[in-house]
Amino acid sequence: EAGVTQSPTHLIKTRGQQVTLRCSPISGHTSVYWYQQALGLGLQFLLWYDEGEERNRGNFPPRFSGRQFPNYSSELNVNALELEDSALYLCASSLMSTFRYTFGSGTRLTVV
Amino acid sequence: GENVEQHPSTLSVQEGDSAVIKCTYSDSASNYFPWYKQELGKRPQLIIDIRSNVGEKKDQRIAVTLNKTAKHFSLHITETQPEDSAVYFCAASSGSQGNLIFGKGTKLSVKP
Repeated sequence: EAGVTQSPTHLIKTRGQQVTLRCSPISGHTSVYWYQQALGLGLQFLLWYDEGEERNRGNFPPRFSGRQFPNYSSELNVNALELEDSALYLCASSLMSTFRYTFGSGTRLTVV
Repeated sequence: GENVEQHPSTLSVQEGDSAVIKCTYSDSASNYFPWYKQELGKRPQLIIDIRSNVGEKKDQRIAVTLNKTAKHFSLHITETQPEDSAVYFCAASSGSQGNLIFGKGTKLSVKP
């Protein structure tokens, strides 16, 4: 069984640019979660999608947004990048309401 | 919303000793408490979880205990080995939020 896949693995962007990160969940998982892991700050909850709908969002500005497609894959978009957006962005999937996450390997974003 | 505090932030033990990591949560409606292990440069992986209808769960050398009255739960690792060295995250979820809230992590170092 394929795990959660994320792309790209690394990218470097300039302050002010926009970026799109992608996530494919485990087959059969309908819930996709996005987390930001900045150095020393643990896992900060960004967004939760299930059945194509945004179910909850964390305490992040509106320039962080995303969507979930009919095949349950998901995108995270970050507009107007700031230096402090540099972090590892982790996607996780689960069966709805089980909360048993399987994480992807993440996308390492560096903003210069 | 839910808030999870985790202690200690770093823990160093000798191989063969036990390690204990403690977490407290704020939302009395929380009913699911997983622990994740993240080795350097890798994705977080679920190692054990407990639901609020049980007080303790054990899996070989690891165990988790839950005290709902005090709103705290703990991870116990016995007979530690160097491969247990990693960052451990606790988390809590309530049905109302629908996503996991993570503690800030504990860096465990097991010295041979």
